[in-house]
Amino acid sequence: DTAVSQTPKYLVTQMGNDKSIKCEQNLGHDTMYWYKQDSKKFLKIMFSYNNKELIINETVPNRFSPKSPDKAHLNLHINSLELGDSAVYFCASSQEGADYGYTFGSGTRLTVV
Amino acid sequence: AQRVTQPEKLLSVFKGAPVELKCNYSYSGSPELFWYVQYSRQRLQLLLRHISRESIKGFTADLNKGETSFHLKKPFAQEEDSAMYYCALSSDSSASKIIFGSGTRLSIRP
Repeated sequence: DTAVSQTPKYLVTQMGNDKSIKCEQNLGHDTMYWYKQDSKKFLKIMFSYNNKELIINETVPNRFSPKSPDKAHLNLHINSLELGDSAVYFCASSQEGADYGYTFGSGTRLTVV
Repeated sequence: AQRVTQPEKLLSVFKGAPVELKCNYSYSGSPELFWYVQYSRQRLQLLLRHISRESIKGFTADLNKGETSFHLKKPFAQEEDSAMYYCALSSDSSASKIIFGSGTRLSIRP
């Protein structure tokens, strides 16, 4: 009955590979987000979608491409993975923008070797 | 520019001692401020919002617009409070998003 679920939980892959992370929310929220948490635990927004429409793209390399097939799903595809992409990626959702706070997924720990 | 500053990377206090996690913000409008908590290897959870003026797990935070601060306080720390705490601000732009501070790791010593 998880509100925001991400898969996979862990992902270990080699440099140069392409990988996807999936996110689904069953809260009926209109807005979904991807955040990156680096090794120093700093959280930075990457993308935001509202009702399948991209509304925030925070100078993320083109290798990262979000896809929202419907408002309950926001997937993140990463091409040509680099060592610096190693991080924990959090999906989140909110209702009526960010003012009511987010509900976060449990994170996907990506390790690029 | 919108910014959230948490000056302490690590705060270590003894069990039963008071806790204050500092947060300062820079924002030109009326901010919505939050505290999030992340226990070890778990998801971030909303701890409290300033407009709710609620107390969660004994924590409170008061918005001080004059000092642009939103410090998190608890009178008596418990071991289960050990976690990473993030102060966050919601912008009021049309593409609203939450900006997080760099986080403070709170460690409660027995």
